[in-house]
Amino acid sequence: KAGVTQTPRYLIKTRGQQVTLSCSPISGHRSVSWYQQTPGQGLQFLFEYFSETQRNKGNFPGRFSGRQFSNSRSEMNVSTLELGDSALYLCASSRATGGMADTQYFGPGTRLTVL
Amino acid sequence: AQSVTQPDIHITVSEGASLELRCNYSYGATPYLFWYVQSPGQGLQLLLKYFSGDTLVQGIKGFEAEFKRSQSSFNLRKPSVHWSDAAEYFCAVYGGTSYGKLTFGQGTILTVHP
Repeated sequence: KAGVTQTPRYLIKTRGQQVTLSCSPISGHRSVSWYQQTPGQGLQFLFEYFSETQRNKGNFPGRFSGRQFSNSRSEMNVSTLELGDSALYLCASSRATGGMADTQYFGPGTRLTVL
Repeated sequence: AQSVTQPDIHITVSEGASLELRCNYSYGATPYLFWYVQSPGQGLQLLLKYFSGDTLVQGIKGFEAEFKRSQSSFNLRKPSVHWSDAAEYFCAVYGGTSYGKLTFGQGTILTVHP
């Protein structure tokens, strides 16, 4: 079974631009979670989608948004990029049906650099 | 609110030596606990998980972890470290009602000397 895939793997943007990152979950997984990883703040939860609905959201500004499609693929968007948005963005998928099915499996990440 | 503490930022061991990475969590009910490993520039790979039952869980690559409710700990162990184990290790807690949100510790960087 193929793992979680994320595209693109690397992105370079300038301040003020916007960016869209994509995540394809493991087949059969309906939940996708997004995380931001930085050296200073570590791994922080952005939001989670299940069956096209956002069920949970972390403490990030409204510039960070996401969506999920009917095939469970998810995108996250960051508008008006700031230097501090430079990070590794990780997505994870799970079946999210309770118990061990809540185990999250991570993709390789998208490295975003904002200049 | 749930939280995870990994007291050791950096640990150095010799190849072949035993390893223990510490993890303490704070959560009101019985948590789901995980250990993940990350190589530089890569995503997180699941090493092992605890949901219920036997408090000693086995994972991949020869790792094991023990859940101790009385100490709110979930320490990761390996009897003999290999050079390829050098990486960053993250402990994480999941509360079943906190949809999709893993709370991570700050990570422990493991260096292995030949």
